[in-house]
Amino acid sequence: EPEVTQTPSHQVTQMGQEVILRCVPISNHLYFYWYRQILGQKVEFLVSFYNNEISEKSEIFDDQFSVERPDGSNFTLKIRSTKLEDSAMYFCASSPITGGSETQYFGPGTRLLVL
Amino acid sequence: AQSVTQLGSHVSVSEGALVLLRCNYSSSVPPYLFWYVQYPNQGLQLLLKYTTGATLVKGINGFEAEFKKSETSFHLTKPSAHMSDAAEYFCAVSDHRGGFQKLVFGTGTRLLVSP
Repeated sequence: EPEVTQTPSHQVTQMGQEVILRCVPISNHLYFYWYRQILGQKVEFLVSFYNNEISEKSEIFDDQFSVERPDGSNFTLKIRSTKLEDSAMYFCASSPITGGSETQYFGPGTRLLVL
Repeated sequence: AQSVTQLGSHVSVSEGALVLLRCNYSSSVPPYLFWYVQYPNQGLQLLLKYTTGATLVKGINGFEAEFKKSETSFHLTKPSAHMSDAAEYFCAVSDHRGGFQKLVFGTGTRLLVSP
């Protein structure tokens, strides 16, 4: 069964460093998402992406964050200058179409620790 | 705005006992509701979802949930717990007011199953 994959599974970085989190969505899906979960808190929406542009972003997704689909398979989340509060589990998701009732398919997550 | 409340960050049951995980939602539009499960080191997997129609929704692994509009609830149940049900469970409501879907999650409930 097709699945969303994410790399790396864990990443440790120093504050102020750039990180790139990678995701490979399910191949025929057209909509892509990033969510994050700070330890002990809710899973929060960060951004959605369709047709090579951001369709919606949350207030968390500030200028430090960017997303890109550099080729036909990868979907990346870049954090330019990491802060301690960026430490979280980051989930990538994809869906074939969008709309209120569509299922989003999630990857296993990348645990980011900023020291 | 859409929101979800999950009562109980941890629920413990014995194998064979009834599982009840609570979820209450707030939505300004007719809600689409989801339950996801996360097993250790895996992504969020859809258990079931409510869109329209029958209010009792059956999902995978013997789980079901009932949409109760009057109580704004979507509690997850399973008649008899199995050791393999130990995982974290997330309730979510779809926010699709902008045309693109994003999921609004609760804080999650960790289900512990003892022999």
